[in-house]
Amino acid sequence: DIQMTQSPSSLSASIGDRVTITCRASQSISSHLNWYQQKPGTAPKFLIYGASTLQSGVPSRFSGSGSGTDFTLTIDSLKPEDFASYYCQQSYSTPFTFGPGTKVDIK
Amino acid sequence: QVQLQESGPGLVKPSETLSLTCTVSGGSISNYYWSWIRQPPGKGLEWIGYIYDSGNTNYNPSLKSPVTISVDTSKNQFSLKLSSVTAADTAVYYCARVVYYYDNSGSRDDAFDIWGQGTMVTVSS
Repeated sequence: DIQMTQSPSSLSASIGDRVTITCRASQSISSHLNWYQQKPGTAPKFLIYGASTLQSGVPSRFSGSGSGTDFTLTIDSLKPEDFASYYCQQSYSTPFTFGPGTKVDIK
Repeated sequence: QVQLQESGPGLVKPSETLSLTCTVSGGSISNYYWSWIRQPPGKGLEWIGYIYDSGNTNYNPSLKSPVTISVDTSKNQFSLKLSSVTAADTAVYYCARVVYYYDNSGSRDDAFDIWGQGTMVTVSS
């Protein structure tokens, strides 16, 4: 199975900050990397696919980059509704696997 | 718009079978892959498996409990059965629609674009 790691596991940030979350795969997954946002008590929300393409309706302050084994999710100008946990997921091969998540909370 | 709703018992005894159903509304179950994903309390997400409307399946071999996913296109539903469950199977179970994209090289990229609200299942005697 492809193992996914994320760093940091949590971070504190202020409204308006730029936040970067890193995701790493245990082997090359090309650009087969998706990102999800999850708020407490709710289902994950699909944000980005193919490492960098925003799903329809996702604000442009979200962006993704990377290929191979190293990927980043960046949120420009953090808004109150962005405080949540973020998960990466590889779709290069089954079993699909998720990173352990990064929790973004208010400083 | 397409919505998914999980249903099933919230409490299952150890060694018994966990059974859940996902009802798809606002759209057809045909021509898509459908998946089950779970999340133990306070932990991350684990993919369980998926099924196509034809009945083709793909399961996560890492799961310790035997898994069966089935589809009923006449009811616009798909189901999950997890046998011989243990406390480790306690989790919120989500059903999700799988969408796929092809990149410039023709490689397929699967993602979970629509999720149900999730249902908590506790395994306990």
